[in-house]
Amino acid sequence: DQQVKQNSPSLSVQEGRISILNCDYTNSMFDYFLWYKKYPAEGPTFLISISSIKDKNEDGRFTVFLNKSAKHLSLHIVPSQPGDSAVYFCAARGGPGGNQFYFGTGTSLTVIP
Amino acid sequence: DVKVTQSSRYLVKRTGEKVFLECVQDMDHENMFWYRQDPGLGLRLIYFSYDVKMKEKGDIPEGYSVSREKKERFSLILESASTNQTSMYLCASRLGVDQPQHFGDGTRLSIL
Repeated sequence: DQQVKQNSPSLSVQEGRISILNCDYTNSMFDYFLWYKKYPAEGPTFLISISSIKDKNEDGRFTVFLNKSAKHLSLHIVPSQPGDSAVYFCAARGGPGGNQFYFGTGTSLTVIP
Repeated sequence: DVKVTQSSRYLVKRTGEKVFLECVQDMDHENMFWYRQDPGLGLRLIYFSYDVKMKEKGDIPEGYSVSREKKERFSLILESASTNQTSMYLCASRLGVDQPQHFGDGTRLSIL
C-alpha cells in the first residue's frame, strides 16, 4: 500500500514557465519530506527538503510547499529549464529513529524549449 | 562531494544462485540503505544499517540479507536468487538522521 503517491506519471511544460509537481501522503506521523531528481542511468540526487514544522522552503528556482492538513506536498520550479527534464520523486521520513523512507512512484517532467 | 559507488551497473544471474551486490561510500557516513526500484512501485526499502554490524529490516526484506563489516561498505545478498528479484537496486548513504540520502547509480539485476 503506497503511503506516498504521485498521481501524475508525467508532466510537460514550456521553458520559462512554472512546473508544479504534486505528492500526497497518508501517514500524519511523517516528519520530514524530500524531493529527488533522477536522470536516466543515474541514481536519484537530492533536490530540496522540508521539515513538518514548516510550510515552505525555497532554494533558488525550487520551492517546496507542505500542506499538513491536506497531507499534500508540492514542488514548484520557476522558471523551468530544459535541463530540469528528469524524473522527480518525493519521499517522506517515518518510522523509529528516522530511518524509514517512503518514496512516491515518480513524475517524469519534460521541459520543452 | 559524496560518492556512493555500486560495483556493477548490470548483472545477469541464474535462479538459485547466491548474488552479492556491493556498495561503497567515501564520506564516512553512519547510515546506509538498500532499495529496489520497480515500475509503478517507486523505491522500496529492503534493509538499512545505522552502524557497522548493525542492521534493520525495511519494508521488503524477504529473500535478502545484508552485511556491514566496515563503515564504508554495505553489501546486499540474495541468498537464492529468484526471477521476482529482477529489478533495479539502489544503494544510499547519509551522514545523520536530518541529512538527505546520497544514492549510487544503481545495479540493474536480471535473474534468468
